[in-house]
Amino acid sequence: ETGVTQTPRHLVMGMTNKKSLKCEQHLGHNAMYWYKQSAKKPLELMFVYSLEERVENNSVPSRFSPECPNSSHLFLHLHTLQPEDSALYLCASSPDSPWSYEQYFGPGTRLTVT
Amino acid sequence: TQLLEQSPQFLSIQEGENLTVYCNSSSVFSSLQWYRQEPGEGPVLLVTVVTGGEVKKLKRLTFQFGDARKDSSLHITAAQPGDTGLYLCAGESDSWGKLQFGAGTQVVVTP
Repeated sequence: ETGVTQTPRHLVMGMTNKKSLKCEQHLGHNAMYWYKQSAKKPLELMFVYSLEERVENNSVPSRFSPECPNSSHLFLHLHTLQPEDSALYLCASSPDSPWSYEQYFGPGTRLTVT
Repeated sequence: TQLLEQSPQFLSIQEGENLTVYCNSSSVFSSLQWYRQEPGEGPVLLVTVVTGGEVKKLKRLTFQFGDARKDSSLHITAAQPGDTGLYLCAGESDSWGKLQFGAGTQVVVTP
């Protein structure tokens, strides 16, 4: 595997379900990110981890819970989501600084909340 | 109000035509990037510009950074169907302190 991978690629869940999104980067980077992409809106930064420590929580509702067990893996735990949470969730990584301007994105997980 | 405004929102052209998309802000960028996102994929970095007035070329793509570092443009010469995608600009600024993305320009090139 190369680059940034995300699983699953598609997810349909009910509002009472609990699910997790997984991201793995094979680039040796130290910073990882979760973004939300909705149609015709800018990418919304959700969380940033640098060297496994959370450095940014961008006013995200508590029904989204991130986890970064090591610098290669990032999870987004989901529970009691709302239909407006349906979107493409993108994971990205960057070499060193959390605000490094070279971000490498995974293919995303298309989430539908019913 | 978005920090980065991209225009147009949608552009449909025939193969062989030229096109230009724009990215504007009221703030000064310390650096600006362009990404292309194809359906079902994440954004892929095309170029980073950091110096006012800078021009970078990537095959048929020409990227220009405004002299005042508040705007940028992407020009595609002789567009091909493979250029179809969502073009995103993203910038860092001392005003907002982290990378911010525009909403993107959807480009469709038909054969």
